Amino acid sequence: RKEVEQDPGPFNVPEGATVAFNCTYSNSASQSFFWYRQDCRKEPKLLMSVYSSGNEDGRFTAQLNRASQYISLLIRDSKLSDSATYLCVVNHSRGSTLGRLYFGRGTQLTVWP
Amino acid sequence: ETGVTQTPRHLVMGMTNKKSLKCEQHLGHNAMYWYKQSAKKPLELMFVYNFKEQTENNSVPSRFSPECPNSSHLFLHLHTLQPEDSALYLCASSQGREGYSPLHFGNGTRLTVT
Repeated sequence: RKEVEQDPGPFNVPEGATVAFNCTYSNSASQSFFWYRQDCRKEPKLLMSVYSSGNEDGRFTAQLNRASQYISLLIRDSKLSDSATYLCVVNHSRGSTLGRLYFGRGTQLTVWP
Repeated sequence: ETGVTQTPRHLVMGMTNKKSLKCEQHLGHNAMYWYKQSAKKPLELMFVYNFKEQTENNSVPSRFSPECPNSSHLFLHLHTLQPEDSALYLCASSQGREGYSPLHFGNGTRLTVT
């Protein structure tokens, strides 16, 4: 089983739509969770961290469900500039050694006018 | 944004060539990483350096050789690569322990092995 699994999409939505992505992770000991955004032929950039209580940043809302081991990202009022690949990233520590970040394959979003 | 700078942006090399990728971070971070991103695959961690000490080598073939002379600079030396090594190579840095601090990526080197 992969450490982090995402629906690759693509998701094609009109401007103004609400879209949600889910991501599941395999290791119940994972402690840190992030969403990154990667534009075509560019490097990934941190979009937001995901906290246990859920968190919101403008039009973006991230949720964590530890019991079911999934993370979600909700984008409201989609803009053309939201078109990108969204990467789910999960940390897994191994005792006293440095933790490892595991990346999902990414979910591709295209917002059309 | 010039926090993490990678050179070159593009590289085409033959299987017998030797080349090096360079990464420099201006963020004062203590950890630096090399990642490989192939088409349709998740990012794969290759190497981790923490305070210029290598802390992880993720079973990377010896034809990839990292070097970290100080906390701000990271190199990836390449020799006798294979066509399947063609990918986007991303350098990243973070402050603090990997997995707890967000990664800041460079813009990557797109490598083609012919």
